[in-house]
Amino acid sequence: EAQVTQNPRYLITVTGKKLTVTCSQNMNHEYMSWYRQDPGLGLRQIYYSMNVEVTDKGDVPEGYKVSRKEKRNFPLILESPSPNQTSLYFCASSPPRDTPNTGELFFGEGSRLTVL
Amino acid sequence: GQNIDQPTEMTATEGAIVQINCTYQTSGFNGLFWYQQHAGEAPTFLSYNVLDGLEEKGRFSSFLSRSKGYSYLLLKELQMKDSASYLCAVTDSNYQLIWGAGTKLIIKP
Repeated sequence: EAQVTQNPRYLITVTGKKLTVTCSQNMNHEYMSWYRQDPGLGLRQIYYSMNVEVTDKGDVPEGYKVSRKEKRNFPLILESPSPNQTSLYFCASSPPRDTPNTGELFFGEGSRLTVL
Repeated sequence: GQNIDQPTEMTATEGAIVQINCTYQTSGFNGLFWYQQHAGEAPTFLSYNVLDGLEEKGRFSSFLSRSKGYSYLLLKELQMKDSASYLCAVTDSNYQLIWGAGTKLIIKP
């Protein structure tokens, strides 16, 4: 089954304790992206990757890191989480986003993170 | 700056028709998406428009006017399961997706 898998789905942590949210896709997609979603603000892009070893900042990258060493994986790293990073996080993937008629984004199920 | 506007919330009655509007100002245009998102779940793809006109897919239709920077999503024969948020997103000149904040649709019996 074609899917994007995120882990963990739910996490409660404390300020300053490093954490990683993993994301893996099995559709051989070049493009991957991380979003956070907060009430009333919609989806905001954190980082995206056009392909292996290519990553770029989105709209809200502060406090986050990513890596893309393999095509299928795109982990999100919070080196020193703070309470303002409490949010619902989505990973997404798609075929290359560099031509018109680019296809839809496929989303993971989401990771709800609470930082105390 | 780039901007996508949609109503924050709409209410409709089961069995009725509802139209959710989306207006956009973006640097370039390479297509418009509509996604459905149930509370606490991932967005799921509904439709994609890149040319002007109406695209129909079962109970859902999506319309685009590029000259007006306008789209709408039309939902017919509303069912309770259609209660969700509907997200409008535009692909800009760099092929990045710009997202609206979403419209929460409440269906009443």
